[in-house]
Amino acid sequence: QVQLQESGPGLVKPSQTLSLTCTVSDGSISSGNYYWNWIRQPAGKGLEWIGRIYTTGITTYNPSLKSRVTISVDTSKNQFSLKLTSVTAADTAVYYCVRDIAAAGTFDSWGQGTLVTVSS
Amino acid sequence: DIVMTQSPDSLAVSLGERATINCKSSQSVLYRSNNKNSLAWFQQKPGQPPKLLIYWASTRESGVPDRFSGSGSGTDFTLTISSLQAEDVAVYYCQQYYNTPRTFGQGTKVEIK
Repeated sequence: QVQLQESGPGLVKPSQTLSLTCTVSDGSISSGNYYWNWIRQPAGKGLEWIGRIYTTGITTYNPSLKSRVTISVDTSKNQFSLKLTSVTAADTAVYYCVRDIAAAGTFDSWGQGTLVTVSS
Repeated sequence: DIVMTQSPDSLAVSLGERATINCKSSQSVLYRSNNKNSLAWFQQKPGQPPKLLIYWASTRESGVPDRFSGSGSGTDFTLTISSLQAEDVAVYYCQQYYNTPRTFGQGTKVEIK
């Protein structure tokens, strides 16, 4: 069973860039027909899809965040990453990296999540 | 964006009783190419990531107890827990994967009465 693990700073200052990495283990990020996603959840609130990257490197972003988001993949390290620029307190959330099977389309494997707080 | 609306926001059910959660999408999520509804249900317990329960509206994920079932088509869907167990206390989300951006319902909190 594939495992996903988020890593990165837990505290980011306003206006700076949030950077997270997801390490995929027990499976190759470049094999199979998968999308690799980022989803976030503010404390006590619902889930917001940020975007995804395909194994070929093609990306799709949520239009609500598109101007600030970049998702990239490093197949040599079996990792994919999220960068979110110009953060504000509204970006404080638990960030999850998530896999979905392109043929099925839904999110079958989730990381444990990492809390990122935006504060000075 | 497809808006997903769940009802109720919360419900309390006695142990062993049925729990029913509804989910309505702002447009049909029926995928014509395979005649399947692109609708999933997730369970989230405190401090944990969501767990996939149901996909294609009614297909149980491997290992999910058969007391969980999904139904519906088009724009109206239901998650049923046939006999509520203590370990089912959680927040449940529906999610559409018909198109992007992927969107979720606001969640339904299930508690024991």
